Amino acid sequence: GESVGLHLPTLSVQEGDNSIINCAYSNSASDYFIWYKQESGKGPQFIIDIRSNMDKRQGQRVTVLLNKTVKHLSLQIAATQPGDSAVYFCADPTSGTYKYIFGTGTRLKVLA
Amino acid sequence: NAGVTQTPKFRILKIGQSMTLQCTQDMNHNYMYWYRQDPGMGLKLIYYSVGAGITDKGEVPNGYNVSRSTTEDFPLRLELAAPSQTSVYFCASSSPGPLGEKLFFGSGTQLSVL
Repeated sequence: GESVGLHLPTLSVQEGDNSIINCAYSNSASDYFIWYKQESGKGPQFIIDIRSNMDKRQGQRVTVLLNKTVKHLSLQIAATQPGDSAVYFCADPTSGTYKYIFGTGTRLKVLA
Repeated sequence: NAGVTQTPKFRILKIGQSMTLQCTQDMNHNYMYWYRQDPGMGLKLIYYSVGAGITDKGEVPNGYNVSRSTTEDFPLRLELAAPSQTSVYFCASSSPGPLGEKLFFGSGTQLSVL
């Protein structure tokens, strides 16, 4: 079946450095992707999305890059802060039998 | 707007007991979802609904039931609780349209079955 996965379960980053979280997808027909952030004890929250007609989209301190050739997207967080510590999920709302496919998630740990 | 509200926040059940997890949203969203999240794992879709009176199974529906009598409410029923149902349950809603299908999540219900 279709899947959306993540390369690393845990990423440790020094405070102030940039973070890069990667995500692979398998459905070449997927045309919309969303990144969510889940802080401890809370539900996931929307961060940023990107459509397949774009290669890059920027938000506040976050950038998502989409490479349709290799079916890969990444979330870049600039100047990582302690408040960025969370689990990050990429999601494909258009693939698969069910409405939403989530990856396992990457836990981002920010080191002081 | 309160968004998506889930109750209770925590619950401990004995094996074989039943309970209903409540979920309500005030954003007039058509789509609602129930997910479970086991420790260190991702989100698995249990059931979803595309509107009042319409529900469908997700990836892991066994042991659960849902109903959608109103746009606002989407309760999840556990009939015979089993230890395998120990998890954190999240309800979510969305409104597909030009802005995309962003999910809005509740704060979760932590359920332990002992």
